Amino acid sequence: EPEVTQTPSHQVTQMGQEVILRCVPISNHLYFYWYRQILGQKVEFLVSFYNNEISEKSEIFDDQFSVERPDGSNFTLKIRSTKLEDSAMYFCASSSDTSNQPQHFGDGTRLSIL
Amino acid sequence: QKEVEQNSGPLSVPEGAIASLNCTYSDRGSQSFFWYRQYSGKSPELIMFIYSNGDKEDGRFTAQLNKASQYVSLLIRDSQPSDSATYLCAAAWMRGRRALTFGSGTRLQVQP
Repeated sequence: EPEVTQTPSHQVTQMGQEVILRCVPISNHLYFYWYRQILGQKVEFLVSFYNNEISEKSEIFDDQFSVERPDGSNFTLKIRSTKLEDSAMYFCASSSDTSNQPQHFGDGTRLSIL
Repeated sequence: QKEVEQNSGPLSVPEGAIASLNCTYSDRGSQSFFWYRQYSGKSPELIMFIYSNGDKEDGRFTAQLNKASQYVSLLIRDSQPSDSATYLCAAAWMRGRRALTFGSGTRLQVQP
């Protein structure tokens, strides 16, 4: 069964450094998402991407964050200058074009900011 | 009022029993609802989704939606210890947004 893949599984970074999280969505899906989950808290939406542009973003997704689809398969989340509070699990998800279709999640990247 | 509200639990049921998980949502415009299972330290795994009023069954799982009451539930029949996890309720199209809005999850413990 097709799945969303994310790399790396764990990223440790010094505060203030840039980090790029990578995702390969399911191949025939057209909507891509990033969510995060701080330890012990609920899953929170960051941003969605469709047709090579951001379609929705949350209040969390400020100027420190950016997303890109650099080629036909990868979808990346960049955090420009990481803060301690960026430590979380980051999940990529994808869904097909139909409005009520479910989103399928990758295994996540655990980001630890020191 | 929380957008998607769940009882945090833990909900403890004996093996073989029916587990009933509930969720309420605040926005009547929400169109579709999803139940994900999340094991500790893992990613959300889709269990069921529903967007029409009534029941939807898939194996041991039944999702129920009542849009008038803004209420979604998940029933797990013949609960197994491997069902022990946190169950996340999520709504799409809340406040016109396709992205999912998650509840905090209900922790289910199935006692052998």
